[in-house]
Amino acid sequence: AQTVTQSQPEMSVQEAETVTLSCTYDTSESDYYLFWYKQPPSRQMILVIRQEAYKQQNATENRFSVNFQKAAKSFSLKISDSQLGDAAMYFCAYRSPLTGNQFYFGTGTSLTVIP
Amino acid sequence: DVKVTQSSRYLVKRTGEKVFLECVQDMDHENMFWYRQDPGLGLRLIYFSYDVKMKEKGDIPEGYSVSREKKERFSLILESASTNQTSMYLCASSLPRGPQHFGDGTRLSIL
Repeated sequence: AQTVTQSQPEMSVQEAETVTLSCTYDTSESDYYLFWYKQPPSRQMILVIRQEAYKQQNATENRFSVNFQKAAKSFSLKISDSQLGDAAMYFCAYRSPLTGNQFYFGTGTSLTVIP
Repeated sequence: DVKVTQSSRYLVKRTGEKVFLECVQDMDHENMFWYRQDPGLGLRLIYFSYDVKMKEKGDIPEGYSVSREKKERFSLILESASTNQTSMYLCASSLPRGPQHFGDGTRLSIL
């Protein structure tokens, strides 16, 4: 099975600053999807950003962007101009179209935003 | 917007009871999933379904079963609840190549 590793259990950032959350994964597939999800204290998981492995261009959604390094199997999330509402658990996820569309999640990074 | 609705946000049951967790989605998604979430362990897949009446075991299916009689509904069943099944349970749905959409979660306590 694919594995997804988030090596930073906790991170903190000053409001308005930039923070990068790390994610690596292990796979032998060439076609797959990667996602970052956010889970605020209210608990509902929401999609932040997605990346298709065949696309070389890094995905961007407003203040959120990724650094996708396919050869290194790395998929980091950069949050620019951090806001108090960005405080949450962030999960990296891998989806394989070949193994029954399963998702594989990392263990999460808890982000604190300091006013 | 996709709406995934879990029947309860909080549930308290007793050891040995049969417990049903219900999940309904309104976007005609083929795929539905049940996870449990525990601190430090992330999300662990219990079961998933890619079509009506179809189901596949995830990483931790022991002690659980599922039912998908209709496309929009995916039920998780704890056959005989035990204290180690106290957890947060998350339901999700998706299209075959799309992202997952999650419900609010059910915090289940087994006493």
